[in-house]
Amino acid sequence: EDQVTQSPEALRLQEGESSSLNCSYTVSGLRGLFWYRQDPGKGPEFLFTLYSAGEEKEKERLKATLTKKESFLHITAPKPEDSATYLCAVQKSGNNRLAFGKGNQVVVIP
Amino acid sequence: DVKVTQSSRYLVKRTGEKVFLECVQDMDHENMFWYRQDPGLGLRLIYFSYDVKMKEKGDIPEGYSVSREKKERFSLILESASTNQTSMYLCASSSDPQAKNIQYFGAGTRLSVL
Repeated sequence: EDQVTQSPEALRLQEGESSSLNCSYTVSGLRGLFWYRQDPGKGPEFLFTLYSAGEEKEKERLKATLTKKESFLHITAPKPEDSATYLCAVQKSGNNRLAFGKGNQVVVIP
Repeated sequence: DVKVTQSSRYLVKRTGEKVFLECVQDMDHENMFWYRQDPGLGLRLIYFSYDVKMKEKGDIPEGYSVSREKKERFSLILESASTNQTSMYLCASSSDPQAKNIQYFGAGTRLSVL
């Protein structure tokens, strides 16, 4: 069974204090790993897809990396508007489905 | 721009009622999905559809059914609502797996069953 584990569950950061979120996965035949951002009461918003180990993607203060066992979402010099829950999901080869982790809840304090 | 629209943001229903949640996408996507999201449990897949009139069970299909009569519309049906179906329901759509298969989500429907 595919498993996605995200840590830490919750994180409080001071504005400007960089940190990393972890997504560990076990899946046979990874087709893609996805990161989403979700604000309270809203649907998840797509951030990144990573397809192979060693791949990196960046968007503003966010950078996602991928190894064969885990992905990291690095938040550099966060601002209060980066406060959200970040969701990680994996897709198996030949499968339309995503298996989601439970999320990393991030609060950035001014 | 990508758009997935869920017909209601908030719904309050009584136990035993038949409930319809509607989702429409304007991206001509083949695949559509229904999830529920509960605190501490994350997103769980209820049903998905990879073509018109086609459907497959997800991880928690019990108590739900779906309908996809047109490509752009995917409906989730609670045949007889129960209090344990109180949740946030999220619809998503994606294109063929040979493409990037990114799932795009609607804003969600928060359903309360009393």
